[in-house]
Amino acid sequence: GENVEQHPSTLSVQEGDSAVIKCTYSDSASNYFPWYKQELGKGPQLIIDIRSNVGEKKDQRIAVTLNKTAKHFSLHITETQPEDSAVYFCAAGSGGSYIPTFGRGTSLIVHP
Amino acid sequence: DSGVTQTPKHLITATGQRVTLRCSPRSGDLSVYWYQQSLDQGLQFLIQYYNGEERAKGNILERFSAQQFPDLHSELNLSSLELGDSALYFCASSPGPSSYNEQFFGPGTRLTVL
Repeated sequence: GENVEQHPSTLSVQEGDSAVIKCTYSDSASNYFPWYKQELGKGPQLIIDIRSNVGEKKDQRIAVTLNKTAKHFSLHITETQPEDSAVYFCAAGSGGSYIPTFGRGTSLIVHP
Repeated sequence: DSGVTQTPKHLITATGQRVTLRCSPRSGDLSVYWYQQSLDQGLQFLIQYYNGEERAKGNILERFSAQQFPDLHSELNLSSLELGDSALYFCASSPGPSSYNEQFFGPGTRLTVL
């Protein structure tokens, strides 16, 4: 089955800095890579996703990059704000497996 | 608000007991997923139902079972509870069965086993 490793487990940055969270996956058949944000006391929420036919996708201050050869993908948040503080989960899946496999999460803390 | 509702919000019970967690998916979503979230294990997929039928099974213990009813709401039954079952249990829903579908998560049920 798929195995997703996520690093770091905790990331502390100053407001305005950039933050990068990295994930690796094991199954070369995986072709869909969503990122979820979980705020305190809430369920995870999809913030961006990427499919294997593109190498990068941006949405305002967040971007995701994918390297299929190396089997890793990353979440980039620029100009971080205190409201970006949350736990971020990466996941990997394919149409053939109904369930994406989640990483263990990264707790991002943005200090004002 | 994701549109997914879960009840109860909190549940405190004793070891050996049985509990039922309830989930109502977003309107129109046919797929329901159950996850367990504990501090050291992250988000662990338990089971998925699609339009009333079991679709996929993850790391679900034999003491746990689930079902999806004709009105598409789902229940997760946890029996012979142990201290280690204390966790947040999330339900998520999506329109279809594929992992390409965005999953919409409910607010979770926090289970405490004493």
